[in-house]
Amino acid sequence: EADIYQTPRYLVIGTGKKITLECSQTMGHDKMYWYQQDPGMELHLIHYSYGVNSTEKGDLSSESTVSRIRTEHFPLTLESARPSHTSQYLCASSEATGAAETQYFGPGTRLLVL
Amino acid sequence: SQELEQSPQSLIVQEGKNLTINCTSSKTLYGLYWYKQKYGEGLIFLMMLQKGGEEKSHEKITAKLDEKKQQSSLHITASQPSHAGIYLCGADYTGTASKLTFGTGTRLQVTL
Repeated sequence: EADIYQTPRYLVIGTGKKITLECSQTMGHDKMYWYQQDPGMELHLIHYSYGVNSTEKGDLSSESTVSRIRTEHFPLTLESARPSHTSQYLCASSEATGAAETQYFGPGTRLLVL
Repeated sequence: SQELEQSPQSLIVQEGKNLTINCTSSKTLYGLYWYKQKYGEGLIFLMMLQKGGEEKSHEKITAKLDEKKQQSSLHITASQPSHAGIYLCGADYTGTASKLTFGTGTRLQVTL
């Protein structure tokens, strides 16, 4: 079982609030990812990082931002939450070993913006 | 993603029955990943199949990659209630396995 953690697991918040979703992994993985998943829909990559001080936007445009100051920590921030941000956010990490690498996922954060 | 189609979308089987889930790609696959997701939770890694065609088994689950058809199948033998969940395939189209494209999933229910 992968050692990757996300907090909070559930969050209900009002429009306009700033929120930070936490993601930490204890495996020393260089690569980390954030996915967004709406109910019944596929996962969409919104951010990824190949190491400290490296962040890139994913395939799906997102108003969120990320930072990677420490290897084990990859927080996602929404400066001003809106109802359209309601979704499940999944964090993953992988070891940079090339074609055979496997992404391990955290339990997810379900966000509801009222 | 239309690049990756999973079928069926949902499946209800009686405990003890066998079942197969398919994942078909419209592009060349470098690798194919299978995950299981409980509703509202994260993904649990099941198996990874590499380009060239491969078959792997773990407990009662067998996955195959048919390179010619660009299709993978996940077969569960003698299904149990613990197999219930959403099965997702993820495609590696870049060869780096860093940016996966996921299917919409197959929802499996196992009845007693």
